[in-house]
Amino acid sequence: DVKVTQSSRYLVKRTGEKVFLECVQDMDHENMFWYRQDPGLGLRLIYFSYDVKMKEKGDIPEGYSVSREKKERFSLILESASTNQTSMYLCASSIGGGENIQYFGAGTRLSVL
Amino acid sequence: GQNIDQPTEMTATEGAIVQINCTYQTSGFNGLFWYQQHAGEAPTFLSYNVLDGLEEKGRFSSFLSRSKGYSYLLLKELQMKDSASYLCARGATDSWGKLQFGAGTQVVVTP
Repeated sequence: DVKVTQSSRYLVKRTGEKVFLECVQDMDHENMFWYRQDPGLGLRLIYFSYDVKMKEKGDIPEGYSVSREKKERFSLILESASTNQTSMYLCASSIGGGENIQYFGAGTRLSVL
Repeated sequence: GQNIDQPTEMTATEGAIVQINCTYQTSGFNGLFWYQQHAGEAPTFLSYNVLDGLEEKGRFSSFLSRSKGYSYLLLKELQMKDSASYLCARGATDSWGKLQFGAGTQVVVTP
């Protein structure tokens, strides 16, 4: 079974803090993704990566950055957290190439106060 | 979700059948996915259709019509544990494996 692990289930941070969300997958997948999920808006793609050290902006990259130094790990960084970044953050991975099935981590519910 | 439309909520009785419709933009289409998401949990993959027709997996079936930009997920013999959000997602040919997700359909199963 594919396992995608997110480092925290719940986080509470203060406005202006730098926040790191970590994601690790154990299936040697090429592609990794970060989404946020808000009621009524569905999953929105923040950033994705199709290879080590490669990253591409998704639909809502503003206020976020990412890092992929190793194939199995994809980090989402909030440089200066704001209250409108309070959300559920989901990490996913997929094999790559023509195979698009994405496998998700359990999610991190971030509250920015 | 961008160009992906599905109903917000559906209610059905235990043992019944529910059909969740999804329409999407057809240009550059590369597969239609359905995911199930229970409250507070990760989405889990249910089905993938890339060719027209019906794919059956136990109590769940998924249908695709590429020319109409239309899919549905059919849930038969509903059980209480099927109460969840069902997400429709579309792959695209030039997308590096990205998916576009609909906002999800909340299915409520009542006794």
